[in-house]
Amino acid sequence: KAGVTQTPRYLIKTRGQQVTLSCSPISGHRSVSWYQQTPGQGLQFLFEYFSETQRNKGNFPGRFSGRQFSNSRSEMNVSTLELGDSALYLCASSLSVGNTGELFFGEGSRLTVL
Amino acid sequence: QKEVEQNSGPLSVPEGAIASLNCTYSDRGSQSFFWYRQYSGKSPELIMSIYSNGDKEDGRFTAQLNKASQYVSLLIRDSQPSDSATYLCAVNDFRGGSQGNLIFGKGTKLSVKP
Repeated sequence: KAGVTQTPRYLIKTRGQQVTLSCSPISGHRSVSWYQQTPGQGLQFLFEYFSETQRNKGNFPGRFSGRQFSNSRSEMNVSTLELGDSALYLCASSLSVGNTGELFFGEGSRLTVL
Repeated sequence: QKEVEQNSGPLSVPEGAIASLNCTYSDRGSQSFFWYRQYSGKSPELIMSIYSNGDKEDGRFTAQLNKASQYVSLLIRDSQPSDSATYLCAVNDFRGGSQGNLIFGKGTKLSVKP
């Protein structure tokens, strides 16, 4: 069974640009969550999507947005990039059946903003 | 602000010893508790989940939960050099029905010396 797939794995952008990251969840998983990981702040929740609807959102500015498609694939977008957006962006999927909350992470997209 | 606290380490143990990793959480409403392992340069990998008070064993790993003390621990028996990684504690309160909003500690770095 294929795991969570994230693309691209690495990318370099400059301040002010925008970026779109993609995530394909494990087959059968309907919930997709996004996290930002930095050395200073650790793993921080960005948002969660279920059945194409945003179910929860973390404490990030509106420059961070996302969406989910009918096949459960998800994208996140960061507009007007800032140096502080340099991070590893992780996507995680879950079955979302019952209150288990077990998440399975992809390998991440490492974003560097210059 | 809901928080999960972990000793950042590094925790150094000799091969074959028991490694004990600890975590406290601030929100009494937390319902699910997880330990993730993250190797350097890799994404987090779920190794244990625990939902009720007491111990849960899986191979060399034992998770312990004490909701009254808001305390979760992970014991690794017969530690191996391959266990050297950062261990992340995470909790979920299922706010708004969310499955994917985990609150993570910043992790404890474990080093197992041959």
